[in-house]
Amino acid sequence: EAGVVQSPRYKIIEKKQPVAFWCNPISGHNTLYWYLQNLGQGPELLIRYENEEAVDDSQLPKDRFSAERLKGVDSTLKIQPAELGDSAVYLCASSRGTSGDTQYFGPGTRLTVL
Amino acid sequence: GQQLNQSPQSMFIQEGEDVSMNCTSSSIFNTWLWYKQDPGEGPVLLIALYKAGELTSNGRLTAQFGITRKDSFLNISASIPSDVGIYFCAGPTTSGTYKYIFGTGTRLKVLA
Repeated sequence: EAGVVQSPRYKIIEKKQPVAFWCNPISGHNTLYWYLQNLGQGPELLIRYENEEAVDDSQLPKDRFSAERLKGVDSTLKIQPAELGDSAVYLCASSRGTSGDTQYFGPGTRLTVL
Repeated sequence: GQQLNQSPQSMFIQEGEDVSMNCTSSSIFNTWLWYKQDPGEGPVLLIALYKAGELTSNGRLTAQFGITRKDSFLNISASIPSDVGIYFCAGPTTSGTYKYIFGTGTRLKVLA
C-alpha cells in the first residue's frame, strides 16, 4: 500500500511569491490533514478535511493561506503571498476516519522563503 | 489550551544504553501516541496507548500510559544508531474540535 505522497519535497521562493503544495493521501482514507512544523517543534494542525469538507480550519491563516480538496481525494495547500516567517515544513497526513484512527504522515515539503 | 511537554529536549547516549523519555500535560488525555521522525521525513507512529496504566511494547520500545492520564513514558532498550531521530508524544484533544496535539520532541543522538 502506497503511503501519503507529497510534492514538491523542497521549495525555495522569494518573499511575496505564491507557492502551492500537493498531497495525495493513502487510498481509502477519508480524512486529510495539513500540518505546519517549525524547526525544533512538533507539528501543528492547519486544516482537517473529512472527504471534501474542511471541518476544522481554525488554525489556518486565511489572509494568505488557502486549501482545497475538491474531489475528496488529493489536496492542495497554497500560500499567497509568502512571507519570511512561512519557512517551515508542511506535512500532510491522512486517516481512514477521524476519532481514534491512526494518522499516517507524508514526508513533508520543506519551504524556504528568502 | 492543552499542551504537551517533553523531557529531555535532547540526549546523547552510547550505543547499547537504555533510554527513557517522558511527556507530561496539565490536562488529561484519553489516548497517548508516540511518533518518531527521521531527518527529512514525516513522523511515524511507534506505539499507541488507550487506557490508563497500559504498558505496551513494540520491539525494543516500551511505552506506558500514566495512571493520572497526564503523562506517558517511552523507553528504548539497547539503543542502536538507527534510533537517532526526534521522538514526539501526541494525543487527541479532549475538548473543542478533535485534533492531535504534539509535544515539543526529544532529540536522540546515539554515539557509536
